[in-house]
Amino acid sequence: DSGVTQTPKHLITATGQRVTLRCSPRSGDLSVYWYQQSLDQGLQFLIQYYNGEERAKGNILERFSAQQFPDLHSELNLSSLELGDSALYFCASSVAGTTYEQYFGPGTRLTVT
Amino acid sequence: AQSVTQLDSHVSVSEGTPVLLRCNYSSSYSPSLFWYVQHPNKGLQLLLKYTSAATLVKGINGFEAEFKKSETSFHLTKPSAHMSDAAEYFCVVSLYGTASKLTFGTGTRLQVTL
Repeated sequence: DSGVTQTPKHLITATGQRVTLRCSPRSGDLSVYWYQQSLDQGLQFLIQYYNGEERAKGNILERFSAQQFPDLHSELNLSSLELGDSALYFCASSVAGTTYEQYFGPGTRLTVT
Repeated sequence: AQSVTQLDSHVSVSEGTPVLLRCNYSSSYSPSLFWYVQHPNKGLQLLLKYTSAATLVKGINGFEAEFKKSETSFHLTKPSAHMSDAAEYFCVVSLYGTASKLTFGTGTRLQVTL
């Protein structure tokens, strides 16, 4: 158990809908990262937050957004969903230190039908 | 810019024989390098990390990796494979010394046979 929690574990929804994925980082970790894992794209970085502020953006679609709240949990919002958004979405967190390894949550499997 | 190339998409070994998973990296700056493992329907677990200290890095479950700057490689090895090692392994690079995004390789699926 990495200490990073994600809810829900599974999500099935229809095209055009909007969903919210939630992540709680390890205690003391200030950085939260979101990644998408799909069969055709592999594991891709979406976005990073550090202590409530957006720090870096990767291949995140405009239909997707995220935020980190004062208690450091984060939410990833996916809207106008398309079939191609079906994937595993991982959240990771890291502590401010010298090594910056990231610890991953169990993921949320999103299926868009 | 940084990237990693995992040279084998699939490796099959017999139980009790050595494991070698190959990874080459490219980075404009001093990199941090990691190996993560993903068991079927599970999340990603950190196996080991290199962050400019010792070039031979020991990880969990008997795995180790050697950072070779001259060859830009970070291959993962284990002396004796176990059935429970069957999983997907990812070589990962990030910038050293910063909390920054991870760039993943395409993964190597390790199969362990009796």
